[in-house]
Amino acid sequence: EPEVTQTPSHQVTQMGQEVILRCVPISNHLYFYWYRQILGQKVEFLVSFYNNEISEKSEIFDDQFSVERPDGSNFTLKIRSTKLEDSAMYFCASSEDWDKNIQYFGAGTRLSVL
Amino acid sequence: AQSVTQPDIHITVSEGASLELRCNYSYGATPYLFWYVQSPGQGLQLLLKYFSGDTLVQGIKGFEAEFKRSQSSFNLRKPSVHWSDAAEYFCAVGTSGTYKYIFGTGTRLKVLA
Repeated sequence: EPEVTQTPSHQVTQMGQEVILRCVPISNHLYFYWYRQILGQKVEFLVSFYNNEISEKSEIFDDQFSVERPDGSNFTLKIRSTKLEDSAMYFCASSEDWDKNIQYFGAGTRLSVL
Repeated sequence: AQSVTQPDIHITVSEGASLELRCNYSYGATPYLFWYVQSPGQGLQLLLKYFSGDTLVQGIKGFEAEFKRSQSSFNLRKPSVHWSDAAEYFCAVGTSGTYKYIFGTGTRLKVLA
């Protein structure tokens, strides 16, 4: 069964450093998403991406965040200058179409900012 | 404001017992409704979905859910729980016209042998 793959599973970084979280969506999917889950809190939408541009973003997704599809398979989330409060589980998801929008999620990357 | 509520943070049931996990939503438009399960170290796996039509939907692993518009609910049920069902369960809502899902806080299920 096709799946969304995320690497690394755990990333530890120092405050102020840049991190890049990587995702390989399901191959025939066209819509890509990032969500995050701070420990003990809800899974929150960050951004959606289609046709090489952001289609929707939340208020959380400020200027320190960016997304990119650098090649035909990877989808990345960059955090430019990490803060302690960026520590969370980050989930990547993809969907085949927009209408019914069934999103398939990866296992997540746990980001720890020290 | 749009929201999803899962009133039960933790639920413990005995193996073989029935299960119902509650989900209530507040959404102006016609919602798309989902249940996901997350086992330790795993991603969010889709259990079932509702878009329209029959309000009782069947999913994987023997789960079902019933959409009740009058109660704004989409409760997840299973007639007989197995030890392997121990996990965290998330209800999520989407709607036509937006890309994002809104998730509930999750319900952690513990199964006693």
